[in-house]
Amino acid sequence: EVQLLESGGLLVQPGGSLRLSCAASGFDFSNFAISWVRQAPGKGLEWVSVITGRGHMTYYAESVKGRFTISRDNDKKTLYLQMNTLRPDDTALYYCAKGTGDNALSSLGLFDSWGRGTLVTVSS
Amino acid sequence: EIVMTQSPATLSVSPGERATLSCRASESISPNVAWYQQKPGQAPRLLIYFASIRATGVPAKFSGSGSGTEFTLTITSLESEDFAVYYCQQYDKWPPITFGQGTRLEIK
Repeated sequence: EVQLLESGGLLVQPGGSLRLSCAASGFDFSNFAISWVRQAPGKGLEWVSVITGRGHMTYYAESVKGRFTISRDNDKKTLYLQMNTLRPDDTALYYCAKGTGDNALSSLGLFDSWGRGTLVTVSS
Repeated sequence: EIVMTQSPATLSVSPGERATLSCRASESISPNVAWYQQKPGQAPRLLIYFASIRATGVPAKFSGSGSGTEFTLTITSLESEDFAVYYCQQYDKWPPITFGQGTRLEIK
């Protein structure tokens, strides 16, 4: 059974930094792209970033480009999101979401399993 | 950026009836469109991909259709557990991957 478990969400002040983690199990981690998707309180889903299985390619939403960095450790089967220069509009529940593959562009962006999310609150 | 626009924002339907949810893309895209269901306090669940293919374990009451810019999710014989928020998503022309704003399906 695929499992994704996010952690690291906290209350942080504007301008601060935070690193989120997503521990994976139940599938061949290095063969699948993984994304971060966030959901502000009471709002819809917003894709944040994706990383390919071997970590060679990364893509970001414009709203986080230059501030957030996605990475992965395939030996530890863990995905990360380093978040710098945080703003109040970064406040959200952050999900990691597994892609359906690692080759075709479509397989990177289609999410067949999701974690339960970790809450990041940016406020003074 | 491909903008996905869902309608209506809220749909009220009686149990046992059929619900039809719409999603319009801002430009023509290949059928790399997915639908997700999200219940309160839960993560999204993949229902439909490639516009019309049901994901593993999704009952036949859920069906997707469409092409170009117009896509539809139809749910027949509504039961209490089907009342949730539904999101469409395009994964055809990206980055960015984009979602619709969601349709809340509520009990009438």
